[in-house]
Amino acid sequence: GIQVEQSPPDLILQEGANSTLRCNFSDSVNNLQWFHQNPWGQLINLFYIPSGTKQNGRLSATTVATERYSLLYISSSQTTDSGVYFCAVEWGKGGGADGLTFGKGTHLIIQP
Amino acid sequence: DAEITQSPRHKITETGRQVTLACHQTWNHNNMFWYRQDLGHGLRLIHYSYGVHDTNKGEVSDGYSVSRSNTEDLPLTLESAASSQTSVYFCASSPGDFGTQYFGPGTRLTVL
Repeated sequence: GIQVEQSPPDLILQEGANSTLRCNFSDSVNNLQWFHQNPWGQLINLFYIPSGTKQNGRLSATTVATERYSLLYISSSQTTDSGVYFCAVEWGKGGGADGLTFGKGTHLIIQP
Repeated sequence: DAEITQSPRHKITETGRQVTLACHQTWNHNNMFWYRQDLGHGLRLIHYSYGVHDTNKGEVSDGYSVSRSNTEDLPLTLESAASSQTSVYFCASSPGDFGTQYFGPGTRLTVL
């Protein structure tokens, strides 16, 4: 199956700092999503980004599909940004949706 | 607003009992998915469905079954619960192939 690797596994920053989270995947994909899992366990959609660049407020993401990686940028971090960030891809080798394969996540802690 | 709900949110059961977890979405999405989340493994796909009467096995399907009798619901059944099935279970849906997947709030299941 497809492999998804996220780095770094853990990240501790001061409020106001910027950060870059990376996701590498081992094959071409039809879907790539970034999620934030908050301290209550809820999975929040951040971006649907199989290719290109998107921005939403202080967050932006870039996927370079030809080189099989995606980056999530968080600027001016706030304590509410703390949690686990997951990258997930959908392979679709059978020609249709076949579910997301998740990386193990980046655990982000923003200190006041 | 359209949404995806799961019930119960928490459940404790005993080894050997049959357990059914409910998932209901009001978006009229064709695709629905079940995942489990465990420490050290991240989220893994259990079963998925492309539409009514369609079901497919995911990465960790042993000991689980699903059935799809309408568009809105995809219940997950543990035929004979085992302690190894203690986990947090997430349901998700998407409108079509490789579209954004939207996740429910999760069900925390403990098997004693």
